[in-house]
Amino acid sequence: EDQVTQSPEALRLQEGESSSLNCSYTVSGLRGLFWYRQDPGKGPEFLFTLYSAGEEKEKERLKATLTKKESFLHITAPKPEDSATYLCAVQGSGAGSYQLTFGKGTKLSVIP
Amino acid sequence: KAGVTQTPRYLIKTRGQQVTLSCSPISGHRSVSWYQQTPGQGLQFLFEYFSETQRNKGNFPGRFSGRQFSNSRSEMNVSTLELGDSALYLCASSLNTNNEQFFGPGTRLTVL
Repeated sequence: EDQVTQSPEALRLQEGESSSLNCSYTVSGLRGLFWYRQDPGKGPEFLFTLYSAGEEKEKERLKATLTKKESFLHITAPKPEDSATYLCAVQGSGAGSYQLTFGKGTKLSVIP
Repeated sequence: KAGVTQTPRYLIKTRGQQVTLSCSPISGHRSVSWYQQTPGQGLQFLFEYFSETQRNKGNFPGRFSGRQFSNSRSEMNVSTLELGDSALYLCASSLNTNNEQFFGPGTRLTVL
């Protein structure tokens, strides 16, 4: 069974204070690891897909990296508008290969 | 390009009733997945459809069912509603299995 654990559950940062969110996973054959951002009352917004260990992707102040056991979402010099819940999900190649297994998310608050 | 749309956005039902939720995927997307999101359990996979065929189903009781039409639009149905069915129901579409999923805004279901 695929499993995803995200840490920390919540993170408060001062504006400009860089940090990283962690996503640890176990999966039978990784097809893809996905990062989403979710604002209150809205559906998740797609950020990145990572397919293999060593891969990195960047978008504005966000950078996602992937190893064989975990992924990190690095946030550089965050702004208040980066406040949201960040979700990590994996897609495996086992019996559940048509579904995403999500972690419970990290709620990020960026204080001006 | 229009995103994933879901109707209705909000629903209030009473225990024992049944409900049907609708999802229109992004044009050209053939895969539609449904998820239930609650504060305690996070995002949990319900089922996935591709070309009108259910390819995978999550660990939910048989009261939860769905279907997909030839135009890729999808509906999910919950019969004999229980209080615990109160949740945000999210629909996501993708081009195919290995592509990123794009989520709609969700339907907020409240069961009284």
